[in-house]
Parts: sequence; structure tokens; C-alpha cells
Amino acid sequence: KQEVTQIPAALSVPEGENLVLNCSFTDSAIYNLQWFRQDPGKGLTSLLLIQSSQREQTSGRLNASLDKSSGRSTLYIAASQPGDSATYLCAGRGGGSYIPTFGRGTSLIVHP
Amino acid sequence: DADVTQTPRNRITKTGKRIMLECSQTKGHDRMYWYRQDPGLGLRLIYYSFDVKDINKGEISDGYSVSRQAQAKFSLSLESAIPNQTALYFCATSDYSESEQYFGPGTRLTVT
Repeated sequence: KQEVTQIPAALSVPEGENLVLNCSFTDSAIYNLQWFRQDPGKGLTSLLLIQSSQREQTSGRLNASLDKSSGRSTLYIAASQPGDSATYLCAGRGGGSYIPTFGRGTSLIVHP
Repeated sequence: DADVTQTPRNRITKTGKRIMLECSQTKGHDRMYWYRQDPGLGLRLIYYSFDVKDINKGEISDGYSVSRQAQAKFSLSLESAIPNQTALYFCATSDYSESEQYFGPGTRLTVT
């Protein structure tokens, strides 16, 4: 069964800093990996989806990478802003499953 | 209009009451999911459905039931609510090919 881990659980950075959020998974036969943003008490907003055949995806200031051999995905946020403060979750779908497994998220605070 | 809607958005109910949470989607997706989110435990899958005639239990289905009334509608019922079912409940959808998940805004349920 796919297991997904996100470290650190919480992160606080000053505005303007470039930062990397980490997501580790156990099944290298991963089908795809999706990154989400969640504001407190709100639903999950899809940020980026990386298929197993892809190495990275970009959207604006966000870049997500996928390294199947090392079991890692990273979400890079450039020039962070206070509005980026939220919890970021990753979800990986293993090759033998139709259901994604979620990490517990990294809570990000960007302070002015 | 939102692609995935959930009703009600907030609900307070008493122990032993039956309650239904409803989810509708306009994305035309076949696959629908119900999750609950608890602080410190992350997202956990309750039930999922890959088409109108397909219903599957997730990791925490005890105490819950579901109904897939149409491709666009997926309801979650708590037959006899108990306080430890107090949580944030999310509905999600995905299509077959990309498997990117889209989430509703959530229902905050409190059982007293």
C-alpha cells in the first residue's frame, strides 16, 4: 500500500523567500502525484498534477517535480507571499490502486 | 458556479440522529469520493464510487452509508450519528483518464 509522508509538518518563512515543500512516497510504481492547497476550514484546491511519465509541472510561481526512483516529489514556491499561507497536501496514486493516498500536509506561514 | 457542491455547509446534530450529506458535480466525472478530515489525522476515505452501479468501502466506512443516485450525485448518510463523527467532510470527483481530483467546499458536521 502506498504511504505518503510530508516533512516538515509546519514551516514559517519571511516574505520573498523561495521555498521547497517535500513529499515522500513508498511505491515507486506511482501513477500520478497531485499537490493541493487548503486554507483553514476550506476545501482542497488542486495546484498541480504530475503523471508518472512527467518529471515536473509548472504553474506561475509554483513548480512541482517527481522523482520516482527516490520516492520524492517537491513543490517549489518562488518569491513567497503572505497570501501563500495555507496547508499544502500531496496525494500519490500507486500503480496498483485507483485511490490516491494523502499526506498529512505542511502548514506554511509566510510572514510580512 | 462551483463544479463540486456540498450541502449543507454546516450542520449541528444530536447523538442518534440520522443525517444526510449531499454532493453534486457538474464536471461530468464518473468517479466520486467521500472523505473526512480530522485535525492530526489528515484525510481518510469513507466510500468511493466509480460509476452509478459501483460502490466501494474506504478505510473508515463503519457507521456510514452512501447512495449514488445519478452520475452527478453522491450522498453520504450517518444512520445514527455519534460525537466522534464530528469532522469536516469532503466530496471529491475525478475522471478516468487523468485521475486529477477536484474537491467540494466541505461540510462541517458537529454531533453533540
